[in-house]
Amino acid sequence: GAVVSQHPSRVICKSGTSVKIECRSLDFQATTMFWYRQFPKQSLMLMATSNEGSKATYEQGVEKDKFLINHASLTLSTLTVTSAHPEDSSFYICSAGQQGDTEAFFGQGTRLTVV
Amino acid sequence: AQSVTQLGSHVSVSEGALVLLRCNYSSSVPPYLFWYVQYPNQGLQLLLKYTSAATLVKGINGFEAEFKKSETSFHLTKPSAHMSDAAEYFCAVSEEIASKIIFGSGTRLSIRP
Repeated sequence: GAVVSQHPSRVICKSGTSVKIECRSLDFQATTMFWYRQFPKQSLMLMATSNEGSKATYEQGVEKDKFLINHASLTLSTLTVTSAHPEDSSFYICSAGQQGDTEAFFGQGTRLTVV
Repeated sequence: AQSVTQLGSHVSVSEGALVLLRCNYSSSVPPYLFWYVQYPNQGLQLLLKYTSAATLVKGINGFEAEFKKSETSFHLTKPSAHMSDAAEYFCAVSEEIASKIIFGSGTRLSIRP
């Protein structure tokens, strides 16, 4: 199957700072990628759909100015958590698929801790 | 809108016993259905998927699931539980291939020795 890579796998940042998470499709081109968030002992919630060359589509309740998504190329989408607060601490995971696949492929996830 | 409901946030079975994790879906179009497993502090691993082919789907690690349209269900089963099966299991639905996926609330599976 296709490979999706996330970086970093873990990050600790101070309150008020911004942190960027990268999601790369290593062996295929992805016009669309998806970002999810998982709080401890909870399910994965879709945050936004990242569209190459255009604005991301955010799910209801997700602040687009706080969670900046950039999908500048067919193999890279980035999620930037701006002015991070401790309540943003979570597991962030991306997925991508290509035409013809019967599933989307997930990255390994990024554990964000805001202190 | 599509959704999945997982009945039982926690299921505990004895080692060697049958595993049954329940999932019901709601979708306005023929759905694509998935079961994922997540071990502590790790990402997701796809167990199996239904993509409108055979209704009985076999996955990895001895798991299988049956798509029942009349019951809008996609329950996950395994004949004999192993200790290594202890994990969080998520049922998920998508209305398009390789598109956004909506996850259920998850079921934590515990295995008793």
